[in-house]
Amino acid sequence: GESVGLHLPTLSVQEGDNSIINCAYSNSASDYFIWYKQESGKGPQFIIDIRSNMDKRQGQRVTVLLNKTVKHLSLQIAATQPGDSAVYFCAESHNNAGNMLTFGGGTRLMVKP
Amino acid sequence: DTAVSQTPKYLVTQMGNDKSIKCEQNLGHDTMYWYKQDSKKFLKIMFSYNNKELIINETVPNRFSPKSPDKAHLNLHINSLELGDSAVYFCASSQELRENTEAFFGQGTRLTVV
Repeated sequence: GESVGLHLPTLSVQEGDNSIINCAYSNSASDYFIWYKQESGKGPQFIIDIRSNMDKRQGQRVTVLLNKTVKHLSLQIAATQPGDSAVYFCAESHNNAGNMLTFGGGTRLMVKP
Repeated sequence: DTAVSQTPKYLVTQMGNDKSIKCEQNLGHDTMYWYKQDSKKFLKIMFSYNNKELIINETVPNRFSPKSPDKAHLNLHINSLELGDSAVYFCASSQELRENTEAFFGQGTRLTVV
């Protein structure tokens, strides 16, 4: 079936460096994408979203890039901090799926002090 | 103020038992969901309810029965629990069904079947 997946299961970065987490999706009907952060023992927490009519969106220290041609999504975190250590998920949905989110497998980000 | 709250946070039970997980959201959202997260952290939708009406029922054994007494609550009842049901179950809610919007997640219920 169609799915959303990640290239790297674990990413280790030095505090202060920039982090890039990648995600590939296969459903060409996907028109809405979200990045979630999940800390240990907690539920997924919304970071940033992007709709298919955009290719870039910026938040505070985070940027999401969408390349619909190659069905690729990335999350960039600037000046990574220890508090950014978590598992990051990309998720997608499309209007005819009733806003149901399909999640990728997750990437664990580890920030070294 | 907790937006999406689930109880209990931890649940340990024996095979064959019946158990329920409760979920409540105070965000005024119309749509609620149950997701299952396995030991490899993979998150998968189980059910979606909109205004107390079942919208999505993914391939889930019929031992799992969601119940929505009102649009702020979506409880999950599981009959005849099996070892493979051990997972973390997340309740979530979103404002719209037709418009793509973010879903807000609860803290999860870690179910361990022994």
